[in-house]
Amino acid sequence: SAVISQKPSRDICQRGTSLTIQCQVDSQVTMMFWYRQQPGQSLTLIATANQGSEATYESGFVIDKFPISRPNLTFSTLTVSNMSPEDSSIYLCSLGDGTEAFFGQGTRLTVV
Amino acid sequence: EDKVVQSPLSLVVHEGDTVTLNCSYEVTNFRSLLWYKQEKKAPTFLFMLTSSGIEKKSGRLSSILDKKELSSILNITATQTGDSAIYLCAVSDGTNAGKSTFGDGTTLTVKP
Repeated sequence: SAVISQKPSRDICQRGTSLTIQCQVDSQVTMMFWYRQQPGQSLTLIATANQGSEATYESGFVIDKFPISRPNLTFSTLTVSNMSPEDSSIYLCSLGDGTEAFFGQGTRLTVV
Repeated sequence: EDKVVQSPLSLVVHEGDTVTLNCSYEVTNFRSLLWYKQEKKAPTFLFMLTSSGIEKKSGRLSSILDKKELSSILNITATQTGDSAIYLCAVSDGTNAGKSTFGDGTTLTVKP
């Protein structure tokens, strides 16, 4: 099973600023995924991070708001840009294969 | 649009009880159904069920997939206070289980 290290664990940010969340995997993976979990709600897929190409965004999410980088097969970042209180959520990176799936430890973001 | 519905939304039991959590789904192209346990931020993978593996068991937890009824159940026997968590059901339509549609979860509380 893969080990994912996600940073930061939590942060409190001012509205209008940006935060970059990092995920490091201990093995090479083709695709990584970024999810958001708003308070009291379930997980919603933001985008798929592909190495060597642009990320693929789900309906309702745009690159200007959530730019994603994937410089190699073990690392990805998600930036939450121009934050507002509505962006307060848990953000999670994930990876999987045909038999199981794993999540990073999550980043609890509070925007004030 | 893919849809996953879990029931009940919350459940309170006493230690030693047996619980059954339900998950139904509507997806365009079903590949697998996954169960997770979420205690803090990051969901922990429990089971993956597919057309070729419709029943899984691990200790006191077991799960069955009913492809005809488009549903799954998660059973927990002899519950313990450590089983208190949110249990998430997710469905994947691709070969990578990291990309899934999640239900709203069932919050299980086990009282001593």
